[in-house]
Amino acid sequence: GENVEQHPSTLSVQEGDSAVIKCTYSDSASNYFPWYKQELGKRPQLIIDIRSNVGEKKDQRIAVTLNKTAKHFSLHITETQPEDSAVYFCAARGGSYIPTFGRGTSLIVHP
Amino acid sequence: DTEVTQTPKHLVMGMTNKKSLKCEQHMGHRAMYWYKQKAKKPPELMFVYSYEKLSINESVPSRFSPECPNSSLLNLHLHALQPEDSALYLCASSRPDGGSVSELFFGEGSRLTVL
Repeated sequence: GENVEQHPSTLSVQEGDSAVIKCTYSDSASNYFPWYKQELGKRPQLIIDIRSNVGEKKDQRIAVTLNKTAKHFSLHITETQPEDSAVYFCAARGGSYIPTFGRGTSLIVHP
Repeated sequence: DTEVTQTPKHLVMGMTNKKSLKCEQHMGHRAMYWYKQKAKKPPELMFVYSYEKLSINESVPSRFSPECPNSSLLNLHLHALQPEDSALYLCASSRPDGGSVSELFFGEGSRLTVL
């Protein structure tokens, strides 16, 4: 089955800095890579996703890149704000429609 | 309507109680999921229903019993739980075929405490 590794487990930045979270996956058949943000006490919410036929996708301050050859994908957040503080989960979905989650990154943005 | 609704939001139960968690969606999704989540950990898949049939059971103890009465509803029946079962239980739905709209929509969760 699919195995997703996510790093770092904790990321602390100053407001205005950029934050990068990296994930690797094992199944070369994986074709869909969503990122979820989960604020304390709330549900995981999809913030951006990328499919295997695309190398990069941007949505305002958030971007995701995918390197299929190396089997890794990354989340980039620019101009971080305190409200970006949350746990971020990457996921990969292959032949089945069930995504495999990474272990999560706790992002702390200091004002 | 892009919501997955879960009830109750909070539940406290003793180890001998029987209770149920409920989940509802009206997005026409034919795959529905139960996840268990501990603090700051990823959601852990428990069950998947596809077209109202149980398709995946991730070796979950029998004290958890899922039910899918129809395409919009998903229940999780709880009986004789242990304190270590205390967690956030998340329901989710999606299209099951991995097509162009394949994201998971999560409910707000039911926070369960077992005394």
